[in-house]
Amino acid sequence: DAMVIQNPRYQVTQFGKPVTLSCSQTLNHNVMYWYQQKSSQAPKLLFHYYDKDFNNEADTPDNFQSRRPNTSFCFLDIRSPGLGDAAMYLCATSSPFVASGSYNEQFFGPGTRLTVL
Amino acid sequence: KQEVTQIPAALSVPEGENLVLNCSFTDSAIYNLQWFRQDPGKGLTSLLLIQSSQREQTSGRLNASLDKSSGRSTLYIAASQPGDSATYLCAVRDSNYQLIWGAGTKLIIKP
Repeated sequence: DAMVIQNPRYQVTQFGKPVTLSCSQTLNHNVMYWYQQKSSQAPKLLFHYYDKDFNNEADTPDNFQSRRPNTSFCFLDIRSPGLGDAAMYLCATSSPFVASGSYNEQFFGPGTRLTVL
Repeated sequence: KQEVTQIPAALSVPEGENLVLNCSFTDSAIYNLQWFRQDPGKGLTSLLLIQSSQREQTSGRLNASLDKSSGRSTLYIAASQPGDSATYLCAVRDSNYQLIWGAGTKLIIKP
């Protein structure tokens, strides 16, 4: 089945120790998103890629970086995690080039739960 | 600025009841509206997507409606089951192509 895959599902890191979260997709969608979601809150968009074009949200901290080496993969790098970065990180994809019924429908991965000690 | 509101924040109903979840938005200039389900500690599952030109979408026991002029969408769940217990979020894609989220409705179906 076509899907969005995130690895690892659970990540524990130490304060200040860099961490990388991974997302891959088999949907061949050209748009990929990274969201941060804290408990009982709506997801907060960090950035997205439209193909190779990177779009950073204005309030995304510099501590968060992203890479998209190809259509299928996207990485979230947290350079120096702080306690406030503990959250669920969600990857999503969408495409404007699919059948009209699914035009720009967002599909999410299962998320990576990040714990910062 | 587009704002999305979901009321109520939490809802508890007995199994078997039909129920309606509400989503309202302040700016009718939207591209689409999407309903998601989220189980505790899990990712989001897309339930229904309604394009701006559509009035409703149906999938199984779920029916979502969209009234752009009044800035409202409803998610109707028929014959609710305990497995429907989850948080339901709606999100609109606004005129700036941003996805604006509601805070969600936490639904509990009591056996």
